[in-house]
This record gives sequence, structure tokens and C-alpha cells, in this order.
Amino acid sequence: AQSVTQLGSHVSVSEGALVLLRCNYSSSVPPYLFWYVQYPNQGLQLLLKYTTGATLVKGINGFEAEFKKSETSFHLTKPSAHMSDAAEYFCAVNGRRALTFGSGTRLQVQP
Amino acid sequence: DTGVSQNPRHKITKRGQNVTFRCDPISEHNRLYWYRQTLGQGPEFLTYFQNEAQLEKSRLLSDRFSAERPKGSFSTLEIQRTEQGDSAMYLCASSLGSGKETQYFGPGTRLLVL
Repeated sequence: AQSVTQLGSHVSVSEGALVLLRCNYSSSVPPYLFWYVQYPNQGLQLLLKYTTGATLVKGINGFEAEFKKSETSFHLTKPSAHMSDAAEYFCAVNGRRALTFGSGTRLQVQP
Repeated sequence: DTGVSQNPRHKITKRGQNVTFRCDPISEHNRLYWYRQTLGQGPEFLTYFQNEAQLEKSRLLSDRFSAERPKGSFSTLEIQRTEQGDSAMYLCASSLGSGKETQYFGPGTRLLVL
């Protein structure tokens, strides 16, 4: 069994500020972890993924995430928010086959 | 690599009607997934195929839902006797491999049942 919890359904930051989106997971097998971004009325675009090896993962658009097994977390960060980062972000875990998603975090970026 | 495509992008139907959606995965991807996403929620798994074989169905997939992937390429998802609760975004994804590889998503089909 696996599940994902995303703390904070809405996060608002100022342009240029740090972005931190939280994700905690549970999985009965070693997980593969993903962050996807979704813009309005579009499908999901992969930001980054963790499979094995290095726990700090770098993705597209300046995002990165760190896998912390002891904390069962995979938080997404970006040092400096841009207006174009405004979107919905989903954390997902894949234990064996299909993805289990969190409920998402909507990121607002204020000018 | 042209990405995953889905048709139609939008569908409005009346309760009780049947609807069919199509998904064309990335060529050579052997796995194809269907998810459903309701407003304010993350996608939920419905079913998946490895080549033409449907390997798993979620309990969300009621008897009114059927999916096929006849030649291991494109897939269709049919909903019979639609209900207002079926209104959602239906997402298709594909991947290459045997389980935990990256899934690439299509733009989705948004269904509204009146």
C-alpha cells in the first residue's frame, strides 16, 4: 500500500522568494518518487523524479527535491520563484505499477 | 516522439449517454494508464495495460467503464450510461518498461455530464 500527503493545498510566495512544497509518502516497497506540474486545463508535466542513488534530485525550471528516507519526505524547492511557476504541483509515489498522487498544492506567485 | 495525445479534449454529454475517449501513447511505449482527476484532487488510477493486456483495474472502474487496447497501440475508454458523478478530467499516460518508469501524460479529456 502507498499514499502521499501534500501539506498545504495553497502556497503563496512573492516573486524571487524561496518556494517550498511539502510531500510525505508511505510505501511498502522502496519507492520511486515524482513531482509533476499541471497548468490550467492541461495534462501533467514531469518536473523531476527519484529512483535510487543520489538523494538530491535536480529537475527542470530550477526545481529540486531531496529524498529523506528517515522522514519519508520528498519536498520540492526552488530558490527563487518566477511568475511562470504559478501552477498546481503534484507529488506521486510509484511502488509497483500505477502512480499514487497527493491532492496537490496550488502555487501562487505574487509580483 | 510526439507525446501522448488524447481526443477529444472536451466532451459534454447528457446523463445516460455513452461516451468514448481515445488515447494515443508515445510510440513504442508498452504501458498505458488511465487516470481520473476531479476538481481540486490529484489523479486517481483507473486501469493499465501492458501491450494489449489489461493487467489491473481499480475499484473506481465500475461496470459501466470499459477500456481496450486492441493492438497494443492506442487505447479507448468507454463510459456507458453516464452519470453526473462521471464528470472529471480523464488522463492517459504511457511508459516504457516493466513497472516504475516515468509516466508521460497526455493533455486529458474533460468530460461534463449534464
